[in-house]
Amino acid sequence: DAGVTQSPTHLIKTRGQQVTLRCSPKSGHDTVSWYQQALGQGPQFIFQYYEEEERQRGNFPDRFSGHQFPNYSSELNVNALLLGDSALYLCASRPGTAETQYFGPGTRLLVL
Amino acid sequence: GENVEQHPSTLSVQEGDSAVIKCTYSDSASNYFPWYKQELGKGPQLIIDIRSNVGEKKDQRIAVTLNKTAKHFSLHITETQPEDSAVYFCAASKDSSASKIIFGSGTRLSIRP
Repeated sequence: DAGVTQSPTHLIKTRGQQVTLRCSPKSGHDTVSWYQQALGQGPQFIFQYYEEEERQRGNFPDRFSGHQFPNYSSELNVNALLLGDSALYLCASRPGTAETQYFGPGTRLLVL
Repeated sequence: GENVEQHPSTLSVQEGDSAVIKCTYSDSASNYFPWYKQELGKGPQLIIDIRSNVGEKKDQRIAVTLNKTAKHFSLHITETQPEDSAVYFCAASKDSSASKIIFGSGTRLSIRP
């Protein structure tokens, strides 16, 4: 049983560009959340998707948007990239209302 | 706002000794407290969690305690082994869906041989 998978593993972009990160949840999981982890810090909640809708959102600007597909996979889009967007982006999934979340390995984004 | 403070930021213990990491949370409505271990190049892995209706939980060498009145919770690792070396994060959540988890800043644990 595959766990949470994310692609790509690493990405380099320049300021002002746009990026799309992808996540496939663990089998049987229908709720996906995205987190940003800056170097040396704990992950910060970006938003959660359930039934193809954004259900909760953290303190992130509208440049951060997402999508969830019928197969529960999800994308995170970031527009107008800033240097400060450089971080490890983590996807986590869980089934329904279960509390335990399972994290993927993350996508490391570097903005130059 | 919601905040979780964690200390120490780094911890070095002799193999076989115990390690303790402490956290405090600000929102008294928090009711779910997971602990994650993150190894280099990997995502956080849940190692144990505790809910607000329980004061202590143990799983082999790992135990967590929760003091709701003081808004403190702690992770205890006994008989530490080299593979315990990693960054540990405490976290807190207050909603039943628990997707919005507030993480502490992490503790880098090193086990000396």
